[in-house]
Amino acid sequence: GAGVSQSPSNKVTEKGKDVELRCDPISGHTALYWYRQSLGQGLEFLIYFQGNSAPDKSGLPSDRFSAERTGGSVSTLTIQRTQQEDSAVYLCASGVSGLYEQYFGPGTRLTVT
Amino acid sequence: AQKVTQAQTEISVVEKEDVTLDCVYETRDTTYYLFWYKQPPSGELVFLIRRNSFDEQNEISGRYSWNFQKSTSSFNFTITASQVVDSAVYFCALSEALRGGKLIFGQGTELSVKP
Repeated sequence: GAGVSQSPSNKVTEKGKDVELRCDPISGHTALYWYRQSLGQGLEFLIYFQGNSAPDKSGLPSDRFSAERTGGSVSTLTIQRTQQEDSAVYLCASGVSGLYEQYFGPGTRLTVT
Repeated sequence: AQKVTQAQTEISVVEKEDVTLDCVYETRDTTYYLFWYKQPPSGELVFLIRRNSFDEQNEISGRYSWNFQKSTSSFNFTITASQVVDSAVYFCALSEALRGGKLIFGQGTELSVKP
């Protein structure tokens, strides 16, 4: 079956621009997570959606970051006014529900120049 | 505070050697889950195993085995008879029942298996 997909796979943007990253979770998975992976910080949790509950935004590093999940399926992570320190691989994962194993997508590599 | 420590940053072995990757965790919750993920050079994180805090039984899957010891807060991973295809970065992770399942990752151990 289809796994988690993310688009674009690579994104190069200029400092100050806004970017949108997309995640398509595995069909039927109610839990969706965003993480980012960078050399200095390792793998960090960003935000978590579970069904119709309010998202857990506790990992978002600043108010320039936001995410939404429409119709309980596709999710978009938006970074406004990008900074060089936002350069990282952004990973999306989905799970049957919270606390179960998470299946990761291939990631979006974001480079801010 | 919750934390996962993988003290071994890099390990290099020769094919067919056994290798153990260490993972130590910290949590104040009584209900939690431990995971191992593999990240091969292609980059995609691959789920390997999930254990809950109430099940300390060791698990074996082919050449892989996991040793969970609550007394030492450790969840170590052993690869028997390593192969070149095992070369990857391995991450140990923790999630806590009270915090909705977000994963707290260790820094990862890069395993290199040489022919």
